[in-house]
Amino acid sequence: EAGVTQFPSHSVIEKGQTVTLRCDPISGHDNLYWYRRVMGKEIKFLLHFVKESKQDESGMPNNRFLAERTGGTYSTLKVQPAELEDSGVYFCASSQGWVIAGTSGLRLSYEQYFGPGTRLTVT
Amino acid sequence: SQQGEEDPQALSIQEGENATMNCSYKTSINNLQWYRQNSGRGLVHLILIRSNEREKHSGRLRVTLDTSKKSSSLLITASRAADTASYFCATDAWGNNRLAFGKGNQVVVIP
Repeated sequence: EAGVTQFPSHSVIEKGQTVTLRCDPISGHDNLYWYRRVMGKEIKFLLHFVKESKQDESGMPNNRFLAERTGGTYSTLKVQPAELEDSGVYFCASSQGWVIAGTSGLRLSYEQYFGPGTRLTVT
Repeated sequence: SQQGEEDPQALSIQEGENATMNCSYKTSINNLQWYRQNSGRGLVHLILIRSNEREKHSGRLRVTLDTSKKSSSLLITASRAADTASYFCATDAWGNNRLAFGKGNQVVVIP
């Protein structure tokens, strides 16, 4: 079974340009996530799709970032216009979702599987 | 918001030795996951431990979780050169799936 794939692996653009990153999740995973790691900082959550719907976009930094997941399959993350501080590695992850376990009420999350990331450099 | 944080240490050990790294977090969690990242590569999922579990094993990996202390440890036994990587813990909380990551621990295994 193929893992999460991302394209491109590396992108170098100038400030003010537009870049679109793509993520293909593991087949059958309804949940898709975007994260990013900027230089020297920890990996930060950006947003979460359940199928084609945005479940949680609390981590999106500003309106220069637009994520879509038309048809609930692959997703794109567009940065327009790019700024220097957008440089970093953008990770995509997917998971099967979660269920409530019996009488315990425990919410059983499934593992999130990550792609190799896209290294974005804005000059 | 919650946050997974590893002890800010870089480990350098000889092949065959055990490596232990710790992670602490600040708020109640639902699950804690450990990931490995080899240089320049993606994150590889190692193990998930749920908030009602105390210990979990997977091959040479042993993870413990102490919710009273809000901490977790990852033990790699009989380390190999291929274990050289950065290791991250990540937590998620009730009501959402978003992972909060720590800064990562760098482990170097010397052949």
